[in-house]
Amino acid sequence: DIQVTQSPSSLSASVGDRVTITCRASQMIATYLNWYQHRPGEAPKMLIFTASNLQSGVPSRFSGSGSGTDFTLTISSLQPEDFATYYCQQTYSSPQAFGGGTTVEIK
Amino acid sequence: EAQLVESGGGLVQPGGSLRLSCAASGFSFDEYSMHWVRQAPGKGLEWVAGIRWDSDIIGYAYSVKGRFTISRDNAENWVFLQMNSLRLDDSALYYCVKVRDNFIQDDAFDIWGQGTVVTVSS
Repeated sequence: DIQVTQSPSSLSASVGDRVTITCRASQMIATYLNWYQHRPGEAPKMLIFTASNLQSGVPSRFSGSGSGTDFTLTISSLQPEDFATYYCQQTYSSPQAFGGGTTVEIK
Repeated sequence: EAQLVESGGGLVQPGGSLRLSCAASGFSFDEYSMHWVRQAPGKGLEWVAGIRWDSDIIGYAYSVKGRFTISRDNAENWVFLQMNSLRLDDSALYYCVKVRDNFIQDDAFDIWGQGTVVTVSS
């Protein structure tokens, strides 16, 4: 089974900061990697699909990159509403899997 | 607008059963694979089960295989999760989710319901 490992598990940042979250797959998964944002009390929200495609309606400060085993989610300028937990997900093979999550906290 | 509404959660004793339902609307339901994802208290997201648009392919996480059954009713736009032999660690918020692209079994989840809470406790 293919596992995905996120790092860091948490980070503290300030409004306006550039934030980078990484996800590493245990095997090659091409670009079958997706990113989600999860705010407390809300349903998770898809941000990026197939590694680098921005979901409609998602602000352009979010971007994704990578292929193979190493992937990155970048927030170019952190906004107050971006403080949340972020998850990656591999859909290359079943069982699909989520990463453990990265919580972005206010510094 | 695509929408998913879950129901059926509640309090159940260990070893008991529960059936979750998910009502879908606002999209061509019979073209999309559907899945269940859960989040235990204080934990991350965990994929539970998925069913292809035509029910021909079904998959389960190892943690629920043999105990949970996913099914769907394309005539009435419902997805179900029958949960048997429930354990304490099945306690979670269960989300019904839709894949982004039609006629794809495993894809990103673009629509999520608000979830239904399952609590397994004696």
